[in-house]
Amino acid sequence: ETGVTQSPTHLIKTRGQQVTLRCSSQSGHNTVSWYQQALGQGPQFIFQYYREEENGRGNFPPRFSGLQFPNYSSELNVNALELDDSALYLCASSLVGRRAEAFFGQGTRLTVV
Amino acid sequence: AQTVTQSQPEMSVQEAETVTLSCTYDTSENNYYLFWYKQPPSRQMILVIRQEAYKQQNATENRFSVNFQKAAKSFSLKISDSQLGDTAMYFCAFIRTQGGSEKLVFGKGMKLTVNP
Repeated sequence: ETGVTQSPTHLIKTRGQQVTLRCSSQSGHNTVSWYQQALGQGPQFIFQYYREEENGRGNFPPRFSGLQFPNYSSELNVNALELDDSALYLCASSLVGRRAEAFFGQGTRLTVV
Repeated sequence: AQTVTQSQPEMSVQEAETVTLSCTYDTSENNYYLFWYKQPPSRQMILVIRQEAYKQQNATENRFSVNFQKAAKSFSLKISDSQLGDTAMYFCAFIRTQGGSEKLVFGKGMKLTVNP
């Protein structure tokens, strides 16, 4: 196990609702990245947080937002959920400058009905 | 384009045999890392092996080794002495630097089944 934990592991939401996913990064890691993995696809980069600020974003709309806290844990918030948001959401933590050492959590499976 | 292509969606192999997973990529960066990740049914993405692009020597980790052909932008994974626990989805990826962030770019993955 990597020490990166995500919660919850599964959840079901209704279209139009809002959801918050949480990630606790590995001890000592100051960077958190979020990925969306649709069924049968590879993970797609959503955004990255470093020092509590977003420092990079993929091709996702503004209703995908995040936070990073002083202890480096992070949240992913998705507003106005759509059916296509159903996916596995993965969090990865790393240490800035150690670009080849990202560790993933077990993911949160979100189903939007 | 910054892309990763895994052309084989699915493969199967007998236990103890050797299997090779193929991957090609496209990046304009000069210094980058390439990775193979394994994703078992538990869903956690587990790093199998990584390769620094400026190193000519192919990386090896126990039963896992890569064939890195930089000019051809090819990065294949060889699994020797396949074990039942190797059954999983395998993803090829590279790190891309964009602005101040570094993100992993993944292929679509390949399902490997090791049969007893």
